[in-house]
Amino acid sequence: GESVGLHLPTLSVQEGDNSIINCAYSNSASDYFIWYKQESGKGPQFIIDIRSNMDKRQGQRVTVLLNKTVKHLSLQIAATQPGDSAVYFCAENNAGNMLTFGGGTRLMVKP
Amino acid sequence: DADVTQTPRNRITKTGKRIMLECSQTKGHDRMYWYRQDPGLGLRLIYYSFDVKDINKGEISDGYSVSRQAQAKFSLSLESAIPNQTALYFCATSGGYEQYFGPGTRLTVT
Repeated sequence: GESVGLHLPTLSVQEGDNSIINCAYSNSASDYFIWYKQESGKGPQFIIDIRSNMDKRQGQRVTVLLNKTVKHLSLQIAATQPGDSAVYFCAENNAGNMLTFGGGTRLMVKP
Repeated sequence: DADVTQTPRNRITKTGKRIMLECSQTKGHDRMYWYRQDPGLGLRLIYYSFDVKDINKGEISDGYSVSRQAQAKFSLSLESAIPNQTALYFCATSGGYEQYFGPGTRLTVT
């Protein structure tokens, strides 16, 4: 089975509820942030990004919020579905096209 | 067809063996990366290359080497595999900030 994520923080939500996944980043000079979704047995896939001159960006069912004051990033998923079950990583760009990844959060959606 | 492919997808090898993991991309990107993923530790950068003549060490390069054979190909080698190199390995490419990942190689060193 999939060994990645055995020791990750886990968020468990009911299908149809909204999910909020949080991430604290390390470098106040980071200018770009990405959220990735990693399903079991697959590589990370891009979900949404945000530049440091913004504090909110919306996609389809997903919203990313950036609070530079406290170096915090969040991913909100509306009407969470079983297909949203995965590990979610935030990443920050702080040195010219080099991404530093967070440890990840496992989202489990209960039917 | 996938934009970023990795071979093999799974590999079991013995301590001391030399192995190579291969990555190919059809996105036309100059930048390529190799990452390692361990439970609870996210993705850690091993090596990266910004063009065919450029190779740079990442956070955890010890015990690894790479070769950029062409713009589309970037291979990772373990000269003498050891058990703590058991992990998931991902190749990625980028043309800007966003990185596109391959499906991963699960490597087990016994």
